Amino acid sequence: NAGVTQTPKFQVLKTGQSMTLQCAQDMNHEYMSWYRQDPGMGLRLIHYSVGAGITDQGEVPNGYNVSRSTTEDFPLRLLSAAPSQTSVYFCASSAAPQGYGYTFGSGTRLTVV
Amino acid sequence: GENVEQHPSTLSVQEGDSAVIKCTYSDSASNYFPWYKQELGKRPQLIIDIRSNVGEKKDQRIAVTLNKTAKHFSLHITETQPEDSAVYFCAASLIGGGSQGNLIFGKGTKLSVKP
Repeated sequence: NAGVTQTPKFQVLKTGQSMTLQCAQDMNHEYMSWYRQDPGMGLRLIHYSVGAGITDQGEVPNGYNVSRSTTEDFPLRLLSAAPSQTSVYFCASSAAPQGYGYTFGSGTRLTVV
Repeated sequence: GENVEQHPSTLSVQEGDSAVIKCTYSDSASNYFPWYKQELGKRPQLIIDIRSNVGEKKDQRIAVTLNKTAKHFSLHITETQPEDSAVYFCAASLIGGGSQGNLIFGKGTKLSVKP
C-alpha cells in the first residue's frame, strides 16, 4: 500500500513548455485534489475530482488542466509554463465522504525559468 | 466561499512551554477542522482533527478546541519539544458538501521550539 504517489519529485521547465505532474493512489479513494504551496500563502486548491470522470476548479485553476479517467490517477497538466507557476505541488486524496481524512503525496517541486 | 485566517504566522517558544495557534473561519456551514504539521521539505501530515459536534479533542500533548459561535478553533501543544518545530496549518471544510467539502487552509504558523 503506497498511499499517494507523485512523480516527478523535482522538475525545471522553461517558460512556455508543457508538462504533466502525475498523481496516483492505491487506496480506492473517490476524492482527489491538487494544491500548490507558495511561501506565506499556505496551500491553495487548484482542481479537484469527486470521482472518475468528474473534475472541477478550485481557487487557482488558471493555467492548469486535469482529467480523471480512472479512480487511481489524477494528473495535472501545465499547458504553457510561466514563472508564476514555480511552486511546490501536492496531490491529496480522501475516501468518501469528501472532505475527511485527506492523505497527501510527497510533492513535486517545480521551477519555471 | 470559505476563508480561513491563521495567527500568528511565526511562534517561538522555549522547550517545555506551551504553544497556541488560532484560526478563524467564515462559513458557518463548515463542520470539519483538521490540523496538519509540515516538517521542512516534507508533506503535510494530519495530527489532529475535530468535528463541529465536539468542543474539544485531546491526543497526548496536543489538543484542539472549537468555538462554533465565534467561528474559531485553536491548536494547543503542551510541554513542547524541539521535534515539534515545524509549520502548522489549520483547515476547514464541510464533510460531504460538494465543493464545500474541499479543505481550505490557513496560511500556516512556523513554530520554533528552542532547547
